[in-house]
Amino acid sequence: QKEVEQDPGPLSVPEGAIVSLNCTYSNSAFQYFMWYRQYSRKGPELLMYTYSSGNKEDGRFTAQVDKSSKYISLFIRDSQPSDSATYLCAMYNSGYALNFGKGTSLLVTP
Amino acid sequence: SQTIHQWPATLVQPVGSPLSLECTVEGTSNPNLYWYRQAAGRGLQLLFYSVGIGQISSEVPQNLSASRPQDRQFILSSKKLLLSDSGFYLCAWGRDSNSPLHFGNGTRLTVT
Repeated sequence: QKEVEQDPGPLSVPEGAIVSLNCTYSNSAFQYFMWYRQYSRKGPELLMYTYSSGNKEDGRFTAQVDKSSKYISLFIRDSQPSDSATYLCAMYNSGYALNFGKGTSLLVTP
Repeated sequence: SQTIHQWPATLVQPVGSPLSLECTVEGTSNPNLYWYRQAAGRGLQLLFYSVGIGQISSEVPQNLSASRPQDRQFILSSKKLLLSDSGFYLCAWGRDSNSPLHFGNGTRLTVT
């Protein structure tokens, strides 16, 4: 079983929809959780960074961590065509090796 | 604010040629520095990381090497490229081992 699982999609939604992106993981020691957005031919851009369980909100984005279920989510409200990108989850306990999901491709259609 | 620069953006090299990719970080001191490779459908693979000048840790045995000649400079090298070295190479930095990583815009390497 891979340490971080993420559905590759593609996920296609109409503009204005609420988007839910998810990752599951197997290592219960993970404490730090991140979401990155990656546009085509660009590097990943950090969107959200959370420690341990709970919710964190930043504008249209909400990150949710459920450590008991080993499940993290990213919600995007009022999705825009400019949100079309690949979204990567990442996590680690402490140390230097981030564990990445393979990314979910999102397309928001006007 | 901190910025990370990575160049070149695109590179086409023949098999057997050398490689040098450079990454620099501005606006911070003593960052942790990383090289990742991203292959389609395979996610991000950590190649090297460095916690200080001259300190390099390799995660995957391969045809590549890394060096950190200055605090905010990280170089990825190869003496002889293989076809399998083609990919998207990303440099990243973090404040410490508990901080998120910030990535450059990558170098797309094609070995022909």
